[in-house]
Amino acid sequence: GQQLNQSPQSMFIQEGEDVSMNCTSSSIFNTWLWYKQDPGEGPVLLIALYKAGELTSNGRLTAQFGITRKDSFLNISASIPSDVGIYFCAGPQGGSEKLVFGKGMKLTVNP
Amino acid sequence: DTAVSQTPKYLVTQMGNDKSIKCEQNLGHDTMYWYKQDSKKFLKIMFSYNNKELIINETVPNRFSPKSPDKAHLNLHINSLELGDSAVYFCASSQGYAKNIQYFGAGTRLSVL
Repeated sequence: GQQLNQSPQSMFIQEGEDVSMNCTSSSIFNTWLWYKQDPGEGPVLLIALYKAGELTSNGRLTAQFGITRKDSFLNISASIPSDVGIYFCAGPQGGSEKLVFGKGMKLTVNP
Repeated sequence: DTAVSQTPKYLVTQMGNDKSIKCEQNLGHDTMYWYKQDSKKFLKIMFSYNNKELIINETVPNRFSPKSPDKAHLNLHINSLELGDSAVYFCASSQGYAKNIQYFGAGTRLSVL
């Protein structure tokens, strides 16, 4: 099945810094999703992208749907301590409702 | 009100036991899912139900049996628990016209001793 390669796997940053992460696939996706998981909680949807080239913001978060439809990027600007968590990219496998997830990017923000 | 709720939050049991995890959603969604998250945080879908009908059944041991009494509930029963079943299990739901937008519960951490 389709696999998503997410990088980096972890980041340690200072409060106020910007963060970038990306996700790539060997095959085309028609939707890209970015989720955040806080410790002890389930993943929460941050941003959904539906069109190649689409750039969407949600507060300090900005995500882009790659032109090739095989990648997506998430940026967090001016990080704060509550940004700590694991960020996952996801997409529907074969266009179905079966979501395939990246392996996650663990973010640590030092105050 | 919690949108997708799972019980219990934690489950510690011995190998060979049978256990169930319950999930309820009050979002009015027609599709529900079970995911397994392993110790490396990798999330993988196990099952999905649409209006009580099984839609997705990944390569999961038949010791795992989902049951959907109605479209707001999807329970997961596990027979003869094994050490490798230890993981966090997440329930999720979505609505037909936006199946990719899935809402997750807080998870059930299962520890098999």
